[in-house]
Amino acid sequence: AQSVTQLDSQVPVFEEAPVELRCNYSSSVSVYLFWYVQYPNQGLQLLLKYLSGSTLVKGINGFEAEFNKSQTSFHLRKPSVHISDTAEYFCAVTLGANAGGTSYGKLTFGQGTILTVHP
Amino acid sequence: EAGVAQSPRYKIIEKRQSVAFWCNPISGHATLYWYQQILGQGPKLLIQFQNNGVVDDSQLPKDRFSAERLKGVDSTLKIQPAKLEDSAVYLCASSKQGNTIYFGEGSWLTVV
Repeated sequence: AQSVTQLDSQVPVFEEAPVELRCNYSSSVSVYLFWYVQYPNQGLQLLLKYLSGSTLVKGINGFEAEFNKSQTSFHLRKPSVHISDTAEYFCAVTLGANAGGTSYGKLTFGQGTILTVHP
Repeated sequence: EAGVAQSPRYKIIEKRQSVAFWCNPISGHATLYWYQQILGQGPKLLIQFQNNGVVDDSQLPKDRFSAERLKGVDSTLKIQPAKLEDSAVYLCASSKQGNTIYFGEGSWLTVV
């Protein structure tokens, strides 16, 4: 079974500063990795996903993440944050197709990281 | 394109009562999921449907939770009888087979 650990429960930063939200996963087989964002009282929105190929993936709203197989990590970064980035961020994993995965929706989520951007 | 619709958005019930949540997926999406998100935790998959058949319900507490997807479109999730620990947000999501999933805004349940 897969598992996800988000290393920081809360990350406070000032506006226009860079930010990194850390995510480590555990799996003995190939996986697909995702980052979702959840704004207050809303559902989850996909930021980006890693399926295969380039280990640096770019997503919406200026976010990017790097897949590191040797360190089993998938950290999310943004070079300059805005007040509007304040939200909760979830890292998630699912079985890759090579491991028999058939759906991107059967996700195992981390505990979430609350990003608070201060003016 | 309309998103995943869920209702009601908010519900407060007493323990041992019953509650039902409704989900209408994005048109053409054959796969439908129900997730439970307890405050302070990430979402946990309860059940996955492919058209009107159940693909995975291994984490659904079947003694009190039930779900159906008649005609392979809308779905309902029912809890009977509710317990205090069922207080959570119930998220519905849908996807075309083997593709990115889209979440609804969730149904917030408080059991008192």
